[in-house]
Amino acid sequence: SQELEQSPQSLIVQEGKNLTINCTSSKTLYGLYWYKQKYGEGLIFLMMLQKGGEEKSHEKITAKLDEKKQQSSLHITASQPSHAGIYLCGADQGAQKLVFGQGTRLTINP
Amino acid sequence: GAVVSQHPSWVICKSGTSVKIECRSLDFQATTMFWYRQFPKQSLMLMATSNEGSKATYEQGVEKDKFLINHASLTLSTLTVTSAHPEDSSFYICSARDLIGPGNQPQHFGDGTRLSIL
Repeated sequence: SQELEQSPQSLIVQEGKNLTINCTSSKTLYGLYWYKQKYGEGLIFLMMLQKGGEEKSHEKITAKLDEKKQQSSLHITASQPSHAGIYLCGADQGAQKLVFGQGTRLTINP
Repeated sequence: GAVVSQHPSWVICKSGTSVKIECRSLDFQATTMFWYRQFPKQSLMLMATSNEGSKATYEQGVEKDKFLINHASLTLSTLTVTSAHPEDSSFYICSARDLIGPGNQPQHFGDGTRLSIL
């Protein structure tokens, strides 16, 4: 079965700094999703990547899927307190199922 | 955009009680919905796939008699935790995808239900 490994598991950055979260898959990725979760709440969809080399941006968040389609990165520019939360990458397993990484807990210090 | 609503958001009840959680797709029809469980500081674990008009498909290790799933309409799936015990306390969350909307739509998640069994 496919496994996703996220790094780092937790991250503390100063407000205004850039940061990157990585998601590495044990198998080829055919659909990679990034979600954000605040503790005790649901998941908010951020971005979906499907093609090798694809890159998408939304506001200050950029996500990339590498050419070999086994790794994705999420980059936040000029971080703000509103970016704090848990970031989860998820991969298509077929039959609409998703498998998730263990999550990266992001803290932004003012 | 697609919205998934989950109710209730928080349940506290005594051991032995059965608890029903609802998951609704508000602006699209979902023939398939998914139920996940999340332990503190851990990722989401898929419990089962809820199929409209047919039996749910459970992941390995998930007791189907403990976690009853009903998907009687295209917009509603329910998860019933039967005879709940403290070890069933967890955060339960559902998701669904709009298969008819434009493009390849992502899974949209409900806000989750925090279940606490005393």
